[in-house]
Amino acid sequence: GAGVSQSPSNKVTEKGKDVELRCDPISGHTALYWYRQSLGQGLEFLIYFQGNSAPDKSGLPSDRFSAERTGGSVSTLTIQRTQQEDSAVYLCASSLRGWGANNEQFFGPGTRLTVL
Amino acid sequence: AQSVTQLDSHVSVSEGTPVLLRCNYSSSYSPSLFWYVQHPNKGLQLLLKYTSAATLVKGINGFEAEFKKSETSFHLTKPSAHMSDAAEYFCVVTSPRGYGGSQGNLIFGKGTKLSVKP
Repeated sequence: GAGVSQSPSNKVTEKGKDVELRCDPISGHTALYWYRQSLGQGLEFLIYFQGNSAPDKSGLPSDRFSAERTGGSVSTLTIQRTQQEDSAVYLCASSLRGWGANNEQFFGPGTRLTVL
Repeated sequence: AQSVTQLDSHVSVSEGTPVLLRCNYSSSYSPSLFWYVQHPNKGLQLLLKYTSAATLVKGINGFEAEFKKSETSFHLTKPSAHMSDAAEYFCVVTSPRGYGGSQGNLIFGKGTKLSVKP
């Protein structure tokens, strides 16, 4: 079946504008994760959704960042009033069940965000 | 707290020669360890994982890694490099959710870029 998809693949925006990044997880996967991959910084965890539970937002860097997951499927990551330091590749992953070493996370190709 | 250090940001090998990508971890609890690979413009793919079973773990594409608790290492190896192995490799550590306050999330190293010369 189809893997995790993300859109857009590339996004260029001006400082101060809001952006929305979309993630379509693998069908049937209950868990969804957002990560940010910055140059020279590696990957950092942002937020985690599992079923109908309240999301784990412990990785969000500021209150300009928020995410939703509608209907237990598609997720949108929103960045308000973008700053140049928000420029990065935003990766989405899903897994059949929640956190755990035996629940492999499948990653999408990412959205490359450039804030001018 | 958990952390992972990839000792080389860039490794270059010739095709047909062995590959060694080094990773050291720090964990207060029994960790689970992973290696992911990221080819250019593609998503991260799981290569292999260690979850307290056999210490020598075999993964896809001929890669393997050995968990050495005494050295807190989880180095990735392959006997003979192929051109298609050129990619960025990430060592990842996690611990069970709820242990010592851990969120159980994946903690990534900064990555090692592997170049393979013909």
